Amino acid sequence: DTAVSQTPKYLVTQMGNDKSIKCEQNLGHDTMYWYKQDSKKFLKIMFSYNNKELIINETVPNRFSPKSPDKAHLNLHINSLELGDSAVYFCASSQTTGPYGYTFGSGTRLTVV
Amino acid sequence: QKEVEQNSGPLSVPEGAIASLNCTYSDRGSQSFFWYRQYSGKSPELIMSIYSNGDKEDGRFTAQLNKASQYVSLLIRDSQPSDSATYLCAVAGGTSYGKLTFGQGTILTVHP
Repeated sequence: DTAVSQTPKYLVTQMGNDKSIKCEQNLGHDTMYWYKQDSKKFLKIMFSYNNKELIINETVPNRFSPKSPDKAHLNLHINSLELGDSAVYFCASSQTTGPYGYTFGSGTRLTVV
Repeated sequence: QKEVEQNSGPLSVPEGAIASLNCTYSDRGSQSFFWYRQYSGKSPELIMSIYSNGDKEDGRFTAQLNKASQYVSLLIRDSQPSDSATYLCAVAGGTSYGKLTFGQGTILTVHP
């Protein structure tokens, strides 16, 4: 199936731990994104990569580090997790950085305890 | 001022009625406008895109854009209980080129 897939779907971890979320798309898109959705459903962009190059880096703590080994993959590593990091993290992709809508992955619900 | 504003609702309409969802945006240079539907616990799903002033219809959905008023709307005709979801307005272009900026979403409930 053509899609944007994220793993894991759920992540429960303790404060101070380090965790990673992986994302892969097989849609042939050249741009990928990480969005964070808080408890009030507000979606906010964190990072964007175009052909492995970081093009958007919003005001995100340095504890968050994205990595794009190729244009089909975008991973997110989070160091020293804090309670406030609890949210749903969505990966998305689009054909260009232009005006086209995104295709979202199924999301990773991160709970920090 | 929020970049993209929506009435968070909830908006409740009876089955078969027209649901009207509204969105305003602050960046006058914005060029592309989208409506996403998000069911509880699921990811956002693109349902409409609009790029020029006027109306765009797709099945029971009509998107309306007025760039002069910086206003986008979504009409859902013959609303069904399965339309109950959160509807997210998203805007791209202008100073935010390369990213979609989302509103906070409007919760729609269609009751039988």
